[in-house]
Amino acid sequence: KQEVTQIPAALSVPEGENLVLNCSFTDSAIYNLQWFRQDPGKGLTSLLLIQSSQREQTSGRLNASLDKSSGRSTLYIAASQPGDSATYLCAVMFSGGYNKLIFGAGTRLAVHP
Amino acid sequence: NAGVTQTPKFQVLKTGQSMTLQCAQDMNHNSMYWYRQDPGMGLRLIYYSASEGTTDKGEVPNGYNVSRLNKREFSLRLESAAPSQTSVYFCASRDSGTGLQGEQYFGPGTRLTVT
Repeated sequence: KQEVTQIPAALSVPEGENLVLNCSFTDSAIYNLQWFRQDPGKGLTSLLLIQSSQREQTSGRLNASLDKSSGRSTLYIAASQPGDSATYLCAVMFSGGYNKLIFGAGTRLAVHP
Repeated sequence: NAGVTQTPKFQVLKTGQSMTLQCAQDMNHNSMYWYRQDPGMGLRLIYYSASEGTTDKGEVPNGYNVSRLNKREFSLRLESAAPSQTSVYFCASRDSGTGLQGEQYFGPGTRLTVT
C-alpha cells in the first residue's frame, strides 16, 4: 500500500532556530511531492512542489529536498519565526496513482518567542 | 482571482439527511478533487474528476456521489448522512494541461457535523 508518514507529529522550538520536518513514502516511483501549510481552521496553502526529476526546491526561508531512492523528503525552515506556527503536510503523487495525492498526517509546529 | 471557493462553510445535519457541498474554481483547471480531513489522519481522497465529464473514485468514496457540472464546478453529495461523515471537506483543483506538473490548490473547507 502506498503510504506517506510524517515524523514528528508535533514540534515546539524557540524562535530563530533552524528546523527540519521529515516525510517518508513507501514507493520510490513518484511523479511529484508537495509540501503544504495549514493554519488552524483554514485550508491548505501550497509551499513547494518538487518534481520527480528534481532534488530540491527553495522559496525564501524554505528548502525542500527529495531523495526518491530512500523514499524521503525534508522541509528545512531557516530562522524560524512565531508566524511559522502551523501544521505542515507532505503529499505524494505516486506513479500509477495518476491525479491522486496521498497525504501524510502532518507535523504540528509551534515556534515560541 | 477567487481561486477555489466552497459553500457552505459550516453545516450541521441530522442522521439520514442529505446535502450537497458546492465547489467552484476560476483558474480554468481541468482536474478537481474532493478530500476529507479527520483528526490525526491527514487528508483522504473521496472522488476526483480528471476533466469535464469524467469522475473517478478515490480512497474513501462510500456514502458519497459527485457531479462535474462543468469545467468550473464540482459538487459532492451526501445522500443519507451518517455520524461517520462528520469531517472537514476540502475541494481542490489542478491544471493538468501541462501533464503531471501542476500544483493542487485548495478551497477553505466545509466543516460538517452529523448528529
